Amino acid sequence: DQQVKQNSPSLSVQEGRISILNCDYTNSMFDYFLWYKKYPAEGPTFLISISSIKDKNEDGRFTVFLNKSAKHLSLHIVPSQPGDSAVYFCAASEGGGADGLTFGKGTHLIIQP
Amino acid sequence: NAGVTQTPKFQVLKTGQSMTLQCAQDMNHEYMSWYRQDPGMGLRLIHYSVGAGITDQGEVPNGYNVSRSTTEDFPLRLLSAAPSQTSVYFCASSYRGGTIYFGEGSWLTVV
Repeated sequence: DQQVKQNSPSLSVQEGRISILNCDYTNSMFDYFLWYKKYPAEGPTFLISISSIKDKNEDGRFTVFLNKSAKHLSLHIVPSQPGDSAVYFCAASEGGGADGLTFGKGTHLIIQP
Repeated sequence: NAGVTQTPKFQVLKTGQSMTLQCAQDMNHEYMSWYRQDPGMGLRLIHYSVGAGITDQGEVPNGYNVSRSTTEDFPLRLLSAAPSQTSVYFCASSYRGGTIYFGEGSWLTVV
């Protein structure tokens, strides 16, 4: 029973355009959501997070949107750059992450020149 | 500025052998955890700790043991390695409600 789902294993976007990565969750107790970026042979790198009391959080080119009623969040990257090519993981937790994160399977983002 | 340090980076074990994956953080974080990542899967939580002397099981704890005697260290022990434990292991740490930082990973192969 997957509590965090990323239904697109891969996504190809042209450089300079917007990349939109989607994530759905089933556990209504999740109150903290994060996006991580991962290159091969490296650990996940934190990108951006959002608390369940907000519906939007921005950090530079990255914006995360949270729709609690739909149990859906999305990561927008604008504009997309070649260095954004990586696997992106959506993660969620209860209680601020104290008892660990539940991850989706990831979306491989490919930025084409 | 070391952050989260994992050793070893690569290890090959024979079935039945034991070993310990080391994890150390220098950020004085209360929370530490271990995850494994298998091909085509997200990271899955093995064990976690909310402070020295306190540990708990995650989603996939079987075959693994942990202890937290200091704030800085959170070793993961495989008592009798099995081929199913071939995976990439990541250690993470954070303050409560803070950014969760990951180590660079330990690649383990059990033959």
